[in-house]
Amino acid sequence: GESVGLHLPTLSVQEGDNSIINCAYSNSASDYFIWYKQESGKGPQFIIDIRSNMDKRQGQRVTVLLNKTVKHLSLQIAATQPGDSAVYFCAAPGGASNTGKLIFGQGTTLQVKP
Amino acid sequence: GAVVSQHPSWVICKSGTSVKIECRSLDFQATTMFWYRQFPKQSLMLMATSNEGSKATYEQGVEKDKFLINHASLTLSTLTVTSAHPEDSSFYICSARDEGGLKTGELFFGEGSRLTVL
Repeated sequence: GESVGLHLPTLSVQEGDNSIINCAYSNSASDYFIWYKQESGKGPQFIIDIRSNMDKRQGQRVTVLLNKTVKHLSLQIAATQPGDSAVYFCAAPGGASNTGKLIFGQGTTLQVKP
Repeated sequence: GAVVSQHPSWVICKSGTSVKIECRSLDFQATTMFWYRQFPKQSLMLMATSNEGSKATYEQGVEKDKFLINHASLTLSTLTVTSAHPEDSSFYICSARDEGGLKTGELFFGEGSRLTVL
């Protein structure tokens, strides 16, 4: 099955700087990945996703990069703001990609210093 | 947009009692919902898949007799923690898939329910 891991438990950045959060996965058959943001005491909030037939996808201030060769994906946040402070999880399907079942990585806590 | 609501958001109970947590999809139908458990400073761990009109599918290591799941309608799944103990204290989160959405990622999470067992 799939396992998902993050490289750093905590990332501290200065407000206005760019943030990069990394994630590794094990199952080369996984065909899509999702990044979630979780604020304290709340449920996960969808940020962006990417299919395995892409290597980059951009949203508003966020970019996800997928490197299938090394089974690695990253989330880049441009001009990080205090409101970006949260725990970020990458997730991958736990089974067939359209079931909705997800396996989550360990999470990276992003701390934004004013 | 689609919303998933959980109730209660916070519950405290005595050891040995049972607690029911509801997960509702407010503006869409969901034949499948998912229940996760999250301990402090840890990741979300899938507990079970709730299937409307049929039995839930539990992940390995999750006791089905302790965590009863009922999905009696297309908009409601309930998780009952039976004979709760302090080690069951956790943040329980549900997600639901909008069956009208074909794209991956069309999952919506509830806000979570924090259970504290004294």
